[in-house]
Amino acid sequence: AQSVSQHNHHVILSEAASLELGCNYSYGGTVNLFWYVQYPGQHLQLLLKYFSGDPLVKGIKGFEAEFIKSKFSFNLRKPSVQWSDTAEYFCAVNAPGTASKLTFGTGTRLQVTL
Amino acid sequence: KAGVTQTPRYLIKTRGQQVTLSCSPISGHRSVSWYQQTPGQGLQFLFEYFSETQRNKGNFPGRFSGRQFSNSRSEMNVSTLELGDSALYLCASSSGGWTDTQYFGPGTRLTVL
Repeated sequence: AQSVSQHNHHVILSEAASLELGCNYSYGGTVNLFWYVQYPGQHLQLLLKYFSGDPLVKGIKGFEAEFIKSKFSFNLRKPSVQWSDTAEYFCAVNAPGTASKLTFGTGTRLQVTL
Repeated sequence: KAGVTQTPRYLIKTRGQQVTLSCSPISGHRSVSWYQQTPGQGLQFLFEYFSETQRNKGNFPGRFSGRQFSNSRSEMNVSTLELGDSALYLCASSSGGWTDTQYFGPGTRLTVL
């Protein structure tokens, strides 16, 4: 069974600082990887996803993530965060044979201060 | 397109009661998945329905059950509620392929007293 680890539970950054959130997964085969965001009071929204091709994936709101297969990692990055990026970020994975079942990491709470 | 809708948005029940939550997927989506979100356990997969059949199941007790109707709407039922069932229950819909994006609803907040 696959699992996902997010190393940072709570991150506090000032506006304009750069962001990198770690995500590692354990699964030996092909996977799809996702980053979802949950803004305060809102539902989970997809930021970006990777399923094949270019390992550098660009998503909405200036976010990007890089899939490094040898490290089983899919870290989320943003060069300059804004106060409006304050939210909880979840990394997730699914694999062939599990269809729509997503396995989520525990989430990282990002707080951006002015 | 309308998004995923869930009803009710909030529920308060007492231990031992049962509850039914409803989810209407995005039009055209045939897969509906349910997740439980708690501060301690995070987001955990309950089950998935595709074309009225349960296709995947997570590690939850049999008190948690679900079904899907021919119009793809889904319900989940929790019987004999326990305090630990207090959570945000999320529903997600997709076209059903493993590379397809899942779109989440706003959730139903269940409080068990």
